[in-house]
Formats: sequence, structure tokens, C-alpha cells
Amino acid sequence: AQSVAQPEDQVNVAEGNPLTVKCTYSVSGNPYLFWYVQYPNRGLQFLLKYITGDNLVKGSYGFEAEFNKSQTSFHLKKPSALVSDSALYFCAVRGTFMDTGRRALTFGSGTRLQVQP
Amino acid sequence: AAGVIQSPRHLIKEKRETATLKCYPIPRHDTVYWYQQGPGQDPQFLISFYEKMQSDKGSIPDRFSAQQFSDYHSELNMSSLELGDSALYFCASSPSGTSGGLNTGELFFGEGSRLTVL
Repeated sequence: AQSVAQPEDQVNVAEGNPLTVKCTYSVSGNPYLFWYVQYPNRGLQFLLKYITGDNLVKGSYGFEAEFNKSQTSFHLKKPSALVSDSALYFCAVRGTFMDTGRRALTFGSGTRLQVQP
Repeated sequence: AAGVIQSPRHLIKEKRETATLKCYPIPRHDTVYWYQQGPGQDPQFLISFYEKMQSDKGSIPDRFSAQQFSDYHSELNMSSLELGDSALYFCASSPSGTSGGLNTGELFFGEGSRLTVL
């Protein structure tokens, strides 16, 4: 079974400061890892993914994430937070099976990011 | 670019009634997923379909059923509704890579259908 843990319910950061949202995962085989963002009453928007290759992946809106296989982590980062980044962030994992193209994502519990002006 | 279309966006039903949600995937996406997100909760996977066949099954209640049609759209049918079924229901689509769309790994989500059961 695959699972994702987001240990922080909420992260508070001042605008302009760097932010980190933590995620650890458990999956059989090599993982496909994703970050999605959700604004109130909206759908999930894709931010970035790790499939293979460089451990540091860059995504939308200046976000990046670092894949660490030994620590089974995929923390989301941004060098300088904006008030508009305030939202709910979900980490997700998808195991690599032969039918990965049709395998569902398993989401973490979500972390609410609050960026103060 | 075309996105995943869900209808209706909002639905209010009473207990024991039935409801049907519809999902139209992105063109050339042959796989559809249904998720349920309760208030303050993470999205829970319900069921998915590939080429009109059930592909994966999650925590879908027996009172719910779903299917995918030849045009790849999908419908989630919910019967004997309970108060606890009140949630945001998301549909997502992705290409498997075998039907013309490039499989890039991520799922593309619709804006959701909010079901309120009174």
C-alpha cells in the first residue's frame, strides 16, 4: 500500500521569507511524487512532480521540491513566500507498477500555508 | 486549454435520495478517477476507469456506482444518500499513453461537484 504523511497541519511564514512544507512517503518500488495546491472551494491544481532524474524539481509559481530517497521525503519549498501563496497544499504519491498509467494518486492530509504580510 | 468538466457544480439532496454526478475528461484522456473530499479532509480515492472498464477501486461505498462511457465521460451514481455523503466530489483524468495522449504522470482535476445532503 502507498501512503503519504504531511506532519504539519499548518505552516505560518512571513511574506518574503523562505517556506518549506514537509512530506514523507511510503510506496513499493520507485515513487511518482506530486504536489497539488487547493484554494477555497476550488479543484486541485498541479504544482510539480518527480518522476525520475534530478532530485530537485521546479514547478509552477516559483515552487520547487527536493526528492530524497534515503529519507523518503519530498518537501516543497519556495525561496520567497507571497501572501497569494496562502492555500492548502497536498503531497501525493503514485507507485510504479506496470499499469502506473492508470494508478490513482494517494494524497496526504494536507498542510495549510498561511503567509502573513 | 480544455480542462476537466464536472456537472453539476452544486447539488442539494435529502437523505435517502439519489444523485448523479457527471465528468467530462480532457480530450484524449482515457482514464478517469473519482475522489471524495469531506470538510477539512484530504481527497479520498473512490474509483477509476480505463477504457470503460474499472481500473482501480478505493473506498467507494456499496451505495455508489460509477461507469465510463464510450466517449470517456464518466458518471458517479449515489443512492440512499446519507448526511455523511456531503462532500466535494472531484473527477480527475489522465492519459494512459495508449490512446493518443502523452502520459506525463499527473492527474488533472476538475473544479468539483459540491453535494449537500440535508
